[in-house]
Amino acid sequence: GQQLNQSPQSMFIQEGEDVSMNCTSSSIFNTWLWYKQDPGEGPVLLIALYKAGELTSNGRLTAQFGITRKDSFLNISASIPSDVGIYFCAGLIQGAQKLVFGQGTRLTINP
Amino acid sequence: DGGITQSPKYLFRKEGQNVTLSCEQNLNHDAMYWYRQDPGQGLRLIYYSQIVNDFQKGDIAEGYSVSREKKESFPLTVTSAQKNPTAFYLCASSTRTGLRQPQHFGDGTRLSIL
Repeated sequence: GQQLNQSPQSMFIQEGEDVSMNCTSSSIFNTWLWYKQDPGEGPVLLIALYKAGELTSNGRLTAQFGITRKDSFLNISASIPSDVGIYFCAGLIQGAQKLVFGQGTRLTINP
Repeated sequence: DGGITQSPKYLFRKEGQNVTLSCEQNLNHDAMYWYRQDPGQGLRLIYYSQIVNDFQKGDIAEGYSVSREKKESFPLTVTSAQKNPTAFYLCASSTRTGLRQPQHFGDGTRLSIL
């Protein structure tokens, strides 16, 4: 199937630091979604992006739809303990019916 | 409150047994999906349904079956043909497929082998 490369796979940071993660592909996307999953729960939608170059914020989270339409970025500013979890990107390839998911970025915060 | 309800939260399967995972949504969504999640991996699509009485195989449909008799319900059966069923199963729904509508997820069912 189609592949989304999400990096990094894991991050260990100090509380208060900023975080950046990204997803890249060789395919062209017309939608990017970012989700957060807490242990034992389902993913929760954080941000949805629909246009190349679009920059959208949700509180301390900011995500961008890459200009090439082949990548997306998620930034978290001033991390806090409740930011711990796994962050997934998901994209809808142009002309496709199904979402493609990245492998996830596991965020751990040291107090 | 509108949402997606998966049950049970935990399920155990004996050798050779079929088990059924429930997924119900009251969001009036047309499309529903089943994903499998293994530790340290992303989500893999098992089956999806765009409309009542219709469904399509995803990337890993072998050993699974579904039905979509009602708009609100999309149960997943893990059959004895699925030799490695231990995983976290997630159900999702969206207003439509392929039309850039975000999928919303339930809280999952963790299936283990006895």
